[in-house]
Amino acid sequence: GQSLEQPSEVTAVEGAIVQINCTYQTSGFYGLSWYQQHDGGAPTFLSYNALDGLEETGRFSSFLSRSDSYGYLLLQELQMKDSASYFCAVRGPDGGATNKLIFGTGTLLAVQP
Amino acid sequence: DGGITQSPKYLFRKEGQNVTLSCEQNLNHDAMYWYRQDPGQGLRLIYYSQIVNDFQKGDIAEGYSVSREKKESFPLTVTSAQKNPTAFYLCASTPQMGRGSSYNEQFFGPGTRLTVL
Repeated sequence: GQSLEQPSEVTAVEGAIVQINCTYQTSGFYGLSWYQQHDGGAPTFLSYNALDGLEETGRFSSFLSRSDSYGYLLLQELQMKDSASYFCAVRGPDGGATNKLIFGTGTLLAVQP
Repeated sequence: DGGITQSPKYLFRKEGQNVTLSCEQNLNHDAMYWYRQDPGQGLRLIYYSQIVNDFQKGDIAEGYSVSREKKESFPLTVTSAQKNPTAFYLCASTPQMGRGSSYNEQFFGPGTRLTVL
């Protein structure tokens, strides 16, 4: 089967750093992306890693290790508005022929004052 | 401004009725997708379309049907054959497809929350 595992919930305080892990087991792999979804809203794209290493975009960074089938999203200088669900998603069960994604079940991040 | 619109935002349906959810995009994107999201769960792919007049089943297509007669539109019909249709439905699009292409983020519409009474 194909699966992506993430912690269901994470709690942190404003100004802190939090890491959300994602391990995947899929029939193919072409890249790992991260999406943010506020309650009742639409998911929005945060980052994409096709190669091993760290990608930084402002306060958010994403890491990928293909040999470990593992990635993480790092959020720095947490703000209250970062309270949301975060989903990892794998592109590639079809060999990257499409942008079709398989999503993890999501991590609910609660940022406390 | 370009974007994806879904209507209605909330939809109520009686058991045994078919219902069609609208998805329109003016981003000139080639590919469109329909997802279902249940409380506390991730997104599961129902159907996707890479080009006009063509679409493929996703992981949970049973009880659903789609059409892609225009590039801008990808309506989803939830049929009476869908046993548990109450969920949040999200439509998305990407500008291009193809092996070797750089990844294109999926742009999502605001969603339709369907409740079966």
